[in-house]
Order: sequence, then structure tokens, then C-alpha cells
Amino acid sequence: KNQVEQSPQSLIILEGKNCTLQCNYTVSPFSNLRWYKQDTGRGPVSLTIMTFSENTKSNGRYTATLDADTKQSSLHITASQLSDSASYICVCRSNDYKLSFGAGTTVTVRA
Amino acid sequence: GAGVSQTPSNKVTEKGKYVELRCDPISGHTALYWYRQSLGQGPEFLIYFQGTGAADDSGLPNDRFFAVRPEGSVSTLKIQRTERGDSAVYLCASSPGERGGGYTFGSGTRLTVV
Repeated sequence: KNQVEQSPQSLIILEGKNCTLQCNYTVSPFSNLRWYKQDTGRGPVSLTIMTFSENTKSNGRYTATLDADTKQSSLHITASQLSDSASYICVCRSNDYKLSFGAGTTVTVRA
Repeated sequence: GAGVSQTPSNKVTEKGKYVELRCDPISGHTALYWYRQSLGQGPEFLIYFQGTGAADDSGLPNDRFFAVRPEGSVSTLKIQRTERGDSAVYLCASSPGERGGGYTFGSGTRLTVV
């Protein structure tokens, strides 16, 4: 069973609207959680990284939250743009070098 | 180089053939990782190098898969007797140190076995 579960699997939003992606994890021990953006045909690019002691982290229009008690994270995209269309992957790192990836949420922004 | 470079970007091969996928990590990055990403899935860990040695190859699915990093820089992922189920995007990532940190991914090699 995957240790990182994401929802929804995909979503479509209109340009300018906001959306929130969810991530639940069971990775243990837990070191940090990252959100990556992956454009089609490209490798993942890091958006945010949070340790267990951090509750929120922003990167421009992207804001990630982390609740280490409930093992949940969210990624909020504000005022979406067409270029936000991509797959967003939640990634957890345990206390070694391994990363556990979620299956991703595919976001499609339409004009 | 400025980023992680993977070649080729696309590879189509016939079932049963041998393929090599190359990864050029960021200069100075001692850690190198190979991941495999199937359609609609997140990347899955294959192997991790620290310097020249494979510190963890537990993700390699079977003995048809092998990876080397002879000089601690460029790495080659080798797949023998390819099967259609090997079709996926093979991603390489590098990071500065032993305990990870800033991972940088390449764009991947899309392998299609026909």
C-alpha cells in the first residue's frame, strides 16, 4: 500500500480561481514533506518543503500546510493561471534518503 | 552542468533487447537516485548511489536491472532482456550530500518496449 495518498486524482478549474489539493501520509519515521510540480514530459520540480515543526510554507501563489499530528498536508493554489496546469505530487521523506511519492493530482486550468 | 541531464529523452526498443539510460547529475552532487514512473503514478525508487557505490539497490525490480556510477558522477541504468512492462519514464535525481536535501530531477527518459 502506498504510504502517500493524494486527492483528488484530477481536477479542472477556471483561470483565476483557487483550488486545494490534499495529501495523507503514513510514512514513518517522518523527516519532511515536499510538494512537487511536474509538467508533462518533465521531471518534478520542488515547490515547498516542510519539516514536522512547520505548519505552513508559501512559494508565490502556492501555499502548503502540514499537520504532523493527523499526517495531512494540503497545497493551495491561489488565482490559478494556465501555466499551473500540471501534476502536483506530494512527497514524504523518512529519516534516510528515500522519498515516498504520491500518485499526484492532475490540475487542468481552463481559460 | 546547470541541471540533471538524462539521455536519451525517448527510447523505443523491441522486447528482449538491451538498453542503457544515462544520467549526468549536477556537478558536485555526491548522491544520485534512479526512479521509475509509470503512467498516472508517482515515481518509485529504484537505486541510490552515494559516490561510486550503490548504497541501496533495493528498488531494482529484478536482476535484469543494473546501474553503475564508476567515477561518482555519470550513472548508467542498464536493462537486459527488456519486457513490455518495463515501459515507463525513468527519472534521475541528484542531491548535494549523503542525507539528501535539495533533490533536482532530470526530465527523464521515456522508455517504450514494443
